[in-house]
Amino acid sequence: QQPVQSPQAVILREGEDAVINCSSSKALYSVHWYRQKHGEAPVFLMILLKGGEQKGHEKISASFNEKKQQSSLYLTASQLSYSGTYFCGTARTSGGGADGLTFGKGTHLIIQP
Amino acid sequence: GAGVSQSPSNKVTEKGKDVELRCDPISGHTALYWYRQSLGQGLEFLIYFQGNSAPDKSGLPSDRFSAERTGGSVSTLTIQRTQQEDSAVYLCASSLGTGGLAFFGQGTRLTVV
Repeated sequence: QQPVQSPQAVILREGEDAVINCSSSKALYSVHWYRQKHGEAPVFLMILLKGGEQKGHEKISASFNEKKQQSSLYLTASQLSYSGTYFCGTARTSGGGADGLTFGKGTHLIIQP
Repeated sequence: GAGVSQSPSNKVTEKGKDVELRCDPISGHTALYWYRQSLGQGLEFLIYFQGNSAPDKSGLPSDRFSAERTGGSVSTLTIQRTQQEDSAVYLCASSLGTGGLAFFGQGTRLTVV
């Protein structure tokens, strides 16, 4: 089951904050966040495992609410380099079964100077 | 190898021909995924291999698509009797397990003319 991302697109000025949401109708084991720039392969940002953890990486952080089956990616004081398409990927198990990593349709983020 | 390697990087083929796309995952990664990304679209799950388990083929769009993974390492995605709608970037990713972070290859851009 494909997770649902929102918003589909957002345009920001440099220095503004953004939140990208990812929700699933199924119980999740982990949520993965990736960023893809035009013409390039997706690049890993972070992974959150069930347990409701929150992680941070420079000015990019994320939370995972296991009960609500939701994750949010927070981009603070955005930089031009943050532009790209952000994908959340979800996994329902930790392995041992035929269950793939399923991605949402992506959120297009454009940062303007 | 140091990363996920895909070949060829670009493939132009005539409608009706068969094509084979190759993926060399990161050494030791038991999980391998194939995704398709059409221009400006999200990541469409195709097939997933995890260890010796039967692959999850639920994402394959038609019986013209097949994939195998030999020796738990290299994988080949085969598309028979290609159609113009098969044109897309085919991405391969691998991870230590379903719950682990996935690394993507640079993709194979397939153009069916």
